[in-house]
Amino acid sequence: GENVEQHPSTLSVQEGDSAVIKCTYSDSASNYFPWYKQELGKRPQLIIDIRSNVGEKKDQRIAVTLNKTAKHFSLHITETQPEDSAVYFCAARNQGGKLIFGQGTELSVKP
Amino acid sequence: DAGVIQSPRHEVTEMGQEVTLRCKPISGHNSLFWYRQTMMRGLELLIYFNNNVPIDDSGMPEDRFSAKMPNASFSTLKIQPSEPRDSAVYFCASMRESSEKLFFGSGTQLSVL
Repeated sequence: GENVEQHPSTLSVQEGDSAVIKCTYSDSASNYFPWYKQELGKRPQLIIDIRSNVGEKKDQRIAVTLNKTAKHFSLHITETQPEDSAVYFCAARNQGGKLIFGQGTELSVKP
Repeated sequence: DAGVIQSPRHEVTEMGQEVTLRCKPISGHNSLFWYRQTMMRGLELLIYFNNNVPIDDSGMPEDRFSAKMPNASFSTLKIQPSEPRDSAVYFCASMRESSEKLFFGSGTQLSVL
């Protein structure tokens, strides 16, 4: 069945450094890849997304890249700040509409 | 826009009791999803509806779980009878099919004692 693998499960960086989170998906028919940020006790919130006809998308300090051939996509956060600390989830949606999430990455940005 | 509204925010019940979780999607959204979140399993898709019709319920753990969407503005997830292993945060989420962006409710924290 469909599966999304996410790495690493935890990531600790110094303020100002970059953070990279990677995901792979199993269903080659997947065509939409969002990233969510979840702060403690809060709901997951969409921060950026990319569709399968695009290789890269950037929004200020956040960027996402997609390699369809290898079936993997990555989230890049530059100039990290303490408020970036949260759990980040990648997800992949297939043509049937099912959105499957990765296991999450707990990002800690140390001041 | 009030966002996706879930109730209750917290539910504490005893094993064997029936639990009903409620969700009101964002107006105009025609797809609705129920997810369960635990530390061990992360965000699991339980079931999703498109235009009030269940499309995929393969994630529903067992027959104790059922979900309905009687109209475009309301959905329920029912657990009967509840068990301690059902304790989790249950999220409802909705989207407009044309935009693909999924919006989550605040979740229901369920504790089954």
